Amino acid sequence: DAGITQSPRYKITETGRQVTLMCHQTWSHSYMFWYRQDLGHGLRLIYYSAAADITDKGEVPDGYVVSRSKTENFPLTLESATRSQTSVYFCASSEWATYNEQFFGPGTRLTVL
Amino acid sequence: SQQGEEDPQALSIQEGENATMNCSYKTSINNLQWYRQNSGRGLVHLILIRSNEREKHSGRLRVTLDTSKKSSSLLITASRAADTASYFCATDGSYSGAGSYQLTFGKGTKLSVIP
Repeated sequence: DAGITQSPRYKITETGRQVTLMCHQTWSHSYMFWYRQDLGHGLRLIYYSAAADITDKGEVPDGYVVSRSKTENFPLTLESATRSQTSVYFCASSEWATYNEQFFGPGTRLTVL
Repeated sequence: SQQGEEDPQALSIQEGENATMNCSYKTSINNLQWYRQNSGRGLVHLILIRSNEREKHSGRLRVTLDTSKKSSSLLITASRAADTASYFCATDGSYSGAGSYQLTFGKGTKLSVIP
C-alpha cells in the first residue's frame, strides 16, 4: 500500500518493558519524524531523520531511541517504558524537511501501565 | 515551549457559517503550515504559506500571514459538518537553536460545525 503506515495501532505494555513502534513509508522521502501528542501539549517532536543513518533529537528525546538503516523505515524504541510515555505517537515523512508538507501516519496509541 | 499558539482553543458554529482561527508565533519563520486532524486520525496538510506571501487560497480555505505581527489566520468559508476537526498551525524556524529542520505545532483549535 502506498503511503505511510504505523504498527501496531494500539499497544498496552508495562512499566520497564521495551517497546518498538514501527513506521514505514513508500515515497522514498528523505525526512522522517516521530511526534507524540498529549492533551495540553499538542504535538511535540521526539526525533527526526534527514536520511538513512542520520538522526537527530527533537524537543522531547529522553527515553527514546531511533534508528534508520533503510530510507523507508524509521522505528522508535522505548528502551524502558514509563507511565509518562503513555501517549499517541505519530510518524511523518516529507521530501524536504520543513520546506513542504509533512505526511502523517495514522498513529499508535500506547498505554504504559 | 510551543512556537505557534492557536486561538480560540475551541469554536462552535452552524453549518454554512465561516470559521476563523488564528495562530501567533514567536520567532522568524520561512513558512507556516496549517493541518487538520479528525478525531482519532493522523494530521492532514491543508496549506503552506511562505514568509514572503501575504495571502493564499485553496478551495474554501483562505490563509493570511502577517510577519510583522507574527500571526496567521485560517478562514474556512461556508463550513460543513465534515469540517469538524482540530486545526493546527505549524512553523519552521528555530525555537531552540536546532535549525530549521523541525516543525513546531501549536495546541490546536477544536472546530465543531453543527448541522
